[in-house]
Formats: sequence, C-alpha cells, structure tokens
Amino acid sequence: GENVEQHPSTLSVQEGDSAVIKCTYSDSASNYFPWYKQELGKRPQLIIDIRSNVGEKKDQRIAVTLNKTAKHFSLHITETQPEDSAVYFCAADTGFQKLVFGTGTRLLVSP
Amino acid sequence: DAGVIQSPRHEVTEMGQEVTLRCKPISGHNSLFWYRQTMMRGLELLIYFNNNVPIDDSGMPEDRFSAKMPNASFSTLKIQPSEPRDSAVYFCASSFQREGREQYFGPGTRLTVT
Repeated sequence: GENVEQHPSTLSVQEGDSAVIKCTYSDSASNYFPWYKQELGKRPQLIIDIRSNVGEKKDQRIAVTLNKTAKHFSLHITETQPEDSAVYFCAADTGFQKLVFGTGTRLLVSP
Repeated sequence: DAGVIQSPRHEVTEMGQEVTLRCKPISGHNSLFWYRQTMMRGLELLIYFNNNVPIDDSGMPEDRFSAKMPNASFSTLKIQPSEPRDSAVYFCASSFQREGREQYFGPGTRLTVT
C-alpha cells in the first residue's frame, strides 16, 4: 500500500523567512496530493492541493511542487508569519479518495 | 452550511465501557471518513464509506471497533469494550466525490479511556 514520509518533523523559522516541507510517496498510482494545516486543538483544514497532471501550484504565499518521477512533493511558504505556526500534513490519494497522511511537520514562526 | 458535526466533543469513560461517536456529514456529500489521531501514530484512516456503503475498513484496529452509516446524514463509530489505548482524537470527514476530493473535517471527539 501507499506510504508517505514527511520531513522535517519540526521546523523553526524567523518571521519573514521561507519554510519548506518535503514529502515522498511510494505508490506511483497516487494522483492527488493535498496539504492540511492543523492548529493546536483544531481540525485539519485543506490549504492547497495538487493533481498529478500539474507540476506546481501557487496560492498567495503558499506553493506546492510535484515531481512525479521522483515521487516527491513539497510545500513552500514564503514571508512566514506567526499565524502560520501549526502542524502541516501532506497526504497522497491513490484513488477512491483514500488519503494516506504523512507524520506531520510542526512549524514554529518566531516574531 | 454548518460543516461536519461530531458529538460528543469530549468523552471520558472507564475501561470496558461501550463508546459511541457520532457524525453528521455535510449535506450532499457522498463520502464519509473516520480518522484517529494520536501523538504516536499520527492521523490514521479507520474506515470510509461511499454512498453509505463501507468501502475500506482495513484501518479498523480490531473487532472492538465497528462503524455504521445507516443513511446519508449519519454515521457512528462504536468501540466495545473500550481500552485505555483507544484514547485519541477521532475525526470524521466528508467529501463530495465528483467535485474534487477535498475532505472537510469535523471538530473531532477527544476520547479518554481510564
């Protein structure tokens, strides 16, 4: 079955810096890759997603890149702000909407 | 829309007791997912339904866990008997399969088994 690895597990940056979180997946059939943000004590919420026919997608300060050949995808946050502090999860969908999540990255943005 | 609704939000029970978690998906969504989140194991898919039919229950940890979806607007996850290692946050999520695949999560139920 699908296996998703996520790195780093924790990431500390200064406000205004960029943050990059990387994930790899094992199943070449995976074709949908969402990223969720989970604030402390809250539910995971989708922040951006990418499908396998696209290499990059941007939404304001957030971007995701996908390399299908290497089976990895990354989340890029530019000009980080304290409110970006949260746990970020990547996931892969092999079809039938079954998501396999990475282990999460705790991002801390210091003012 | 009120979003995905889960109840109770918190549950504290003693080992051996039956626990029932409830979920109301977003109206019109045809897929429903139950997840369990712990520090040790992260976010795990337990079971998911499509059009009220269980599609994949391979994540259900053992026979003590069962899930039902009697209609499009209601699902339950039952643990009987409960054990301390079942303590976790249980999330329900729903999606509409034809319009992309975003899964909308409910607020979760924090279960503590003593």
